[in-house]
Amino acid sequence: SAVISQKPSRDICQRGTSLTIQCQVDSQVTMMFWYRQQPGQSLTLIATANQGSEATYESGFVIDKFPISRPNLTFSTLTVSNMSPEDSSIYLCSVEGEGAGEGYTFGSGTRLTVV
Amino acid sequence: GENVEQHPSTLSVQEGDSAVIKCTYSDSASNYFPWYKQELGKGPQLIIDIRSNVGEKKDQRIAVTLNKTAKHFSLHITETQPEDSAVYFCAAISAGGSYIPTFGRGTSLIVHP
Repeated sequence: SAVISQKPSRDICQRGTSLTIQCQVDSQVTMMFWYRQQPGQSLTLIATANQGSEATYESGFVIDKFPISRPNLTFSTLTVSNMSPEDSSIYLCSVEGEGAGEGYTFGSGTRLTVV
Repeated sequence: GENVEQHPSTLSVQEGDSAVIKCTYSDSASNYFPWYKQELGKGPQLIIDIRSNVGEKKDQRIAVTLNKTAKHFSLHITETQPEDSAVYFCAAISAGGSYIPTFGRGTSLIVHP
């Protein structure tokens, strides 16, 4: 399965600022996924990122707030913009396994605290 | 869309006991069911999965069962150890849909030494 390096692992940010989270995969993948996990909660999909096209956002998430880049098949970034305390969460990137819909692998997550 | 319910939300057992976590799903087209273990400060890790053409799958101390008719699947951990303490998530994926997993809300398993 793919190995994902995600950074930063944690950060404490001032409200109104932005944070960019990076994910590097050790193999080429078609789709990368970004999730938010609020404290004690399940995983909520933010968007799906394909290389060479705009990300597809889930209901409740917008590009202005969570811009995503996907410059190549091994790398993606998620920016959390104009942060407020409600954005305090764990953010995770994920990729599929070898078969469609199989064996999703996750990064180690970015624990974001907004003060 | 798919809806996955997971129970219990918290499970506390003594070391050596068995633990069972149950999930139900709503979409009859779902055909792939992975289970993830998330330890504190880490991302979820796939521990076992099952396809809809199989009723049971086992890997050492963990097993997963699937009842397609009833639309439920369960994770069984035998001879629990303190290192099994984590949050466990079930998920359902439909081959006829977007291939994006729908996750349950998670079960916090605590194994007391």
